[in-house]
Amino acid sequence: EVQLVESGGGLVQPGGSLRLSCVASGFPFSSYSMSWVRQAPGKGLEWVSYITTTGSTVYYTDSVKGRFTISRDDAKNSLFLQMNSLRAEDTAVYFCAKLGTTVTSGIGPWGQGTLVSVSS
Amino acid sequence: DIQLTQTPSSLSASVGDRVIITCRASQYIITFVNWYQQKPGKAPKLLISGASSLQSGVPSRFSGSGSGTDFTLTINSLQPEDFATYYCQQSYSFPRVTFGPGTKVDIK
Repeated sequence: EVQLVESGGGLVQPGGSLRLSCVASGFPFSSYSMSWVRQAPGKGLEWVSYITTTGSTVYYTDSVKGRFTISRDDAKNSLFLQMNSLRAEDTAVYFCAKLGTTVTSGIGPWGQGTLVSVSS
Repeated sequence: DIQLTQTPSSLSASVGDRVIITCRASQYIITFVNWYQQKPGKAPKLLISGASSLQSGVPSRFSGSGSGTDFTLTINSLQPEDFATYYCQQSYSFPRVTFGPGTKVDIK
């Protein structure tokens, strides 16, 4: 069974930093691209970042470019999101998600999410 | 950016009803649409990919159709466990995917 377990969320002041982790199991992690998707309280889903299987190619949504860094450690079946210069509008539940093998495969499964709250 | 709109934004339905949710893209996206179900406090679950391919384990009362800019998710004979929020998502601009605003289905 595929499992994705996020951790690292919490309350942080504006301008602060957090590092989110996602540990994967139940599938060959190194063979799959991964993404982070967030959901602000009571709002819809927003794609945040993407990383290829080798980690050589990454993408970010414009609002986090230059502040967030996605990375992976295939030896530890882990995905990370380093978040710096956090803003109130970054407050959300952050989900890590496995991507399919093709563009049309969809996103899933997803982890249970970890809540990031940015407030003074 | 490709924008997605969903109609309705919410609906009330009864068990056994047929529910149709529409998703419209701001540009032609072939069949690069996926549908997700999300229950309160839970992660989204992929229901349909490529506009019409039902994911393994998803009940056959769920179906998707459409191409180009207009897509639909149909739930035949709504069940109690189907009350949730449904999102469409486009992968035409993969990996910079976008989601629709969601449609909340609740009990009448």
